[in-house]
Amino acid sequence: AQKITQTQPGMFVQEKEAVTLDCTYDTSDPSYGLFWYKQPSSGEMIFLIYQGSYDQQNATEGRYSLNFQKARKSANLVISASQLGDSAMYFCAMREAGNSGNTPLVFGKGTRLSVIA
Amino acid sequence: DVKVTQSSRYLVKRTGEKVFLECVQDMDHENMFWYRQDPGLGLRLIYFSYDVKMKEKGDIPEGYSVSREKKERFSLILESASTNQTSMYLCASIRGGAMGGYTFGSGTRLTVV
Repeated sequence: AQKITQTQPGMFVQEKEAVTLDCTYDTSDPSYGLFWYKQPSSGEMIFLIYQGSYDQQNATEGRYSLNFQKARKSANLVISASQLGDSAMYFCAMREAGNSGNTPLVFGKGTRLSVIA
Repeated sequence: DVKVTQSSRYLVKRTGEKVFLECVQDMDHENMFWYRQDPGLGLRLIYFSYDVKMKEKGDIPEGYSVSREKKERFSLILESASTNQTSMYLCASIRGGAMGGYTFGSGTRLTVV
């Protein structure tokens, strides 16, 4: 069963507008972490934001915020005031704590965001 | 800053060749990972290691093996390269027990002809 689902293969957004990238996840572990990574055309994976399953507040990092809806198992990334440099592939990922706390990151298939001038 | 270095950015190999992809990290991280990335499939875990000489299979280990003789180095081995192993390979590391994000290398784009 797919643990991370990103239903939007591609998205377009106008420069300076906000955009939401969807991510749903599936786990029975009460302790887990949710992550978003950005991958520009250069190929490097850039860590953007993290949300722990027990965190009460939604995570924010500059223009990035994570809309965490635990009951719906949803962890959408919101990018405010989009910039041309935001054009990239975006991956949602999850780690479960498991017994040892060392379970690997599982990734979704990604969403390609294109910002239009 | 943690640095994860993958030895080659681009690699072209022939079918049947033995291929080594090297990954080195400089922050004494216990945990290291190899992923492959294909369009429409995201990142899929090949192998990972929690310590020297330890290895665990990921979701797609077939056709690959790994070696972790030193803590800082995690090698991915394609015993007999095939065209369906043409892909982007990404190495990552994290401190043992940490719950944060991984640090990734810049990737190796392997083409098998």
